[in-house]
Amino acid sequence: KAGVTQTPRYLIKTRGQQVTLSCSPISGHRSVSWYQQTPGQGLQFLFEYFSETQRNKGNFPGRFSGRQFSNSRSEMNVSTLELGDSALYLCASTQGSGGSYNEQFFGPGTRLTVL
Amino acid sequence: QQQVKQSPQSLIVQKGGISIINCAYENTAFDYFPWYQQFPGKGPALLIAIRPDVSEKKEGRFTISFNKSAKQFSLHIMDSQPGDSATYFCAASNIMNYGGSQGNLIFGKGTKLSVKP
Repeated sequence: KAGVTQTPRYLIKTRGQQVTLSCSPISGHRSVSWYQQTPGQGLQFLFEYFSETQRNKGNFPGRFSGRQFSNSRSEMNVSTLELGDSALYLCASTQGSGGSYNEQFFGPGTRLTVL
Repeated sequence: QQQVKQSPQSLIVQKGGISIINCAYENTAFDYFPWYQQFPGKGPALLIAIRPDVSEKKEGRFTISFNKSAKQFSLHIMDSQPGDSATYFCAASNIMNYGGSQGNLIFGKGTKLSVKP
């Protein structure tokens, strides 16, 4: 079974631009979560999508948004990029069934650098 | 209330030794406590996880000890090997409150483990 794939793996943008990152979950997984990883703040939860609906949201500004498609693939968008948005963005997928402890599988991440 | 505090920040252990990483949490509603291992250039990978109704869980060389009253849990790596050198993250989540979602994991800041040959 293929793992979680994220594209692109590396991205360089300038301040003020916007960026879209893509995540393809493991086949059969319906839940996709996004995390931001930085040396200073560590791993922080951005949001989670399940069956095309945002199920949970972390404490990030509205510049960070996401969506999920009917095939469970997900995209996240960051508008008006700031230098502090430079980070590794990780996507994770689970089967997503309620009330169970399904393992969360992480992708390799997209390294975003904002200049 | 949502924090998970992890220590130490870095750890150097000799091959064959025991590596111990500790975490403390505040939110008593947390009901799922996983540990993740991350190698450079890779995403975190689940090592082992525990629920609060168990005090210890062992999988191979990895053991989680959980102290509900102290709101602490720890990872023990027995017979540490150079291949265990990685960054380890503890995490916590309130799965039942989020309709079964595991998405909202609260992570510790990580421990960089180096195992010397």
